[in-house]
Amino acid sequence: NAGVTQTPKFQVLKTGQSMTLQCAQDMNHEYMSWYRQDPGMGLRLIHYSVGAGITDQGEVPNGYNVSRSTTEDFPLRLLSAAPSQTSVYFCASSYSEQSNTEAFFGQGTRLTVV
Amino acid sequence: AQKVTQAQTEISVVEKEDVTLDCVYETRDTTYYLFWYKQPPSGELVFLIRRNSFDEQNEISGRYSWNFQKSTSSFNFTITASQVVDSAVYFCALSEGYSTLTFGKGTMLLVSP
Repeated sequence: NAGVTQTPKFQVLKTGQSMTLQCAQDMNHEYMSWYRQDPGMGLRLIHYSVGAGITDQGEVPNGYNVSRSTTEDFPLRLLSAAPSQTSVYFCASSYSEQSNTEAFFGQGTRLTVV
Repeated sequence: AQKVTQAQTEISVVEKEDVTLDCVYETRDTTYYLFWYKQPPSGELVFLIRRNSFDEQNEISGRYSWNFQKSTSSFNFTITASQVVDSAVYFCALSEGYSTLTFGKGTMLLVSP
C-alpha cells in the first residue's frame, strides 16, 4: 500500500500564482485533513473532511480552499499565493471519527512563495 | 479551545543519557486522546504512541516510556539511554474529535555521540 501520497514534494511559486497540492490515500479512510508546519509553530490544521462532499475549516483556513469529491482524494488549493503561505504542508488520513485513531501522514510538500 | 504546550524548544544530551520531554495540555472535554509523533531530519511524521483520557497507566516500549497524569494535565515522554538516532523533533498532540489534531510547537532533541 502507498498510504498517503502527496504531490509535488517541492514547489516554488510566484506571489499571486495559483496551484493545487494533491493528496491521495489508498486505505479507504473517511477522514482527511491538511496541516501546515512553520518553524517554531508546530503543525496547524488548515481544513479537514469527514467524508466525500463534506469539508470544514480548521485553525488557519484563510487563503486555502478544499473539496472532497472522492474518498481517496483531498486536494488543497491556493488561489493567489502569498509569501506567508511559504510552509511545509502535510496531508493526513484516518479511518475513524474516533479520536483514538492514528493519523497517517503523507511525506509533506515544501512550498516556497517568492 | 484545546491547547498543547511543549515548553522545551531544544534539548541537547550526550548519548546514553536519559531525557524527558514535557507536554502539558488544556481541554474542556472529558474524553480526549493524546499522541506523540517523531519527526526525524528526513521530515516525515512517525507515530509513537496514543493514550486516551481514561487510561492513566504509564507505558513502556523498549527505551521509550510515557507518564500520563490527568491531575497535572501532562503527558511526558522519556527516552532511556538515548542514541544518536533519537535526534529529531518530537511533537505532542491532542485530539478531541474528527481525528483532527492540535499539536504542540515541538521539542528538538539533539543527541551527540
